[in-house]
Amino acid sequence: GDSVTQMEGPVTLSEEAFLTINCTYTATGYPSLFWYVQYPGEGLQLLLKATKADDKGSNKGFEATYRKETTSFHLEKGSVQVSDSAVYFCALRWANTGNQFYFGTGTSLTVIP
Amino acid sequence: EAGVAQSPRYKIIEKRQSVAFWCNPISGHATLYWYQQILGQGPKLLIQFQNNGVVDDSQLPKDRFSAERLKGVDSTLKIQPAKLEDSAVYLCASSSLRGNGEQYFGPGTRLTVT
Repeated sequence: GDSVTQMEGPVTLSEEAFLTINCTYTATGYPSLFWYVQYPGEGLQLLLKATKADDKGSNKGFEATYRKETTSFHLEKGSVQVSDSAVYFCALRWANTGNQFYFGTGTSLTVIP
Repeated sequence: EAGVAQSPRYKIIEKRQSVAFWCNPISGHATLYWYQQILGQGPKLLIQFQNNGVVDDSQLPKDRFSAERLKGVDSTLKIQPAKLEDSAVYLCASSSLRGNGEQYFGPGTRLTVT
């Protein structure tokens, strides 16, 4: 069945370091792909998305490119800040099944000053 | 606009007791979702409503979980009787039929079953 596999955490980085969180998916076809972020004590928020192959989603300095050939959607940021400390979830969605989301297990990021 | 509201934010109960959670989606959003997020895992869809009808409840443990959205607006999720393994955060999300189907999540209800 459809699934999302994320890089396991926790990840600890120093401020201004480069961030990569890996995400790969298994699906028959071409779903939409998402990154959600969950700050401490809050609900999930959409960070970025891509709806077709080779699309690049970007927001708040984060980027991810939909790679059909490697079935991946890795999240990157060139210079992380303390305020980026959160849990990041990769997800896929099929529009033809009522927009149901399949989430990865989440990757916890802590950025230290 | 106001976001998705959930209550209570925290609940502690003993096993075999019952509990109910409430969700009020964003105004005008026809689709409402309940997710279960066990510690260290990603959210898992329990049930999806469109207006007051169920679209998908294939992962809802129907022997103990129930949910309703009688007027197509707010929704309640009930667990009766609760088990230790039900300890989790229960997330509600909503989305509009128009646009890109983006889901907006509430802050969740953290349930601890002792």
